[in-house]
Amino acid sequence: DAGVTQSPTHLIKTRGQQVTLRCSPKSGHDTVSWYQQALGQGPQFIFQYYEEEERQRGNFPDRFSGHQFPNYSSELNVNALLLGDSALYLCASSLAGGPHYEQYFGPGTRLTVT
Amino acid sequence: GQSLEQPSEVTAVEGAIVQINCTYQTSGFYGLSWYQQHDGGAPTFLSYNALDGLEETGRFSSFLSRSDSYGYLLLQELQMKDSASYFCAYSTPLVFGKGTRLSVIA
Repeated sequence: DAGVTQSPTHLIKTRGQQVTLRCSPKSGHDTVSWYQQALGQGPQFIFQYYEEEERQRGNFPDRFSGHQFPNYSSELNVNALLLGDSALYLCASSLAGGPHYEQYFGPGTRLTVT
Repeated sequence: GQSLEQPSEVTAVEGAIVQINCTYQTSGFYGLSWYQQHDGGAPTFLSYNALDGLEETGRFSSFLSRSDSYGYLLLQELQMKDSASYFCAYSTPLVFGKGTRLSVIA
């Protein structure tokens, strides 16, 4: 049973550039959430996708956008990168109608902005 | 506002018992979750309390008091592999505390 996968593992970008991160949910899951985790901090909720629509959004600027595909996989896009966007980006999947408190996280993408 | 407070670091001896406390403040509360994250790894779900009281899962137990807006994670028979960061969180969506870094020493 495949768990949550994310790509790439690591990424280095320059300020002002744009980045796209990818996530495949755990088999059988239909909901994908994205989190940003700064060093030494807890994950912060960015947004959640279900049925190819953004359902909930955290306190993140419009530079952060996403997409969900018919196969439930998802992308996170960040435009006009800032140094402060350097973090671990985590994708988590769950099943709509399932336990809202239990999410399955991927290993994350480590983004460094220079 | 919404917030969760937990100690930043805890150190305990192998084989001992450790308690990680969490206090929260939120207008809407369904229950308290606990996640474990090893260095370089993904957060993994440990337990969830929707109602007051103690939930036990093997060596780990979690407690919730809604009236006190307080919960804790209890780890028994500590092992070196328990060295990790532990996060309390409420939902939905999941809002995490800053985490408690647990170091288990011999």
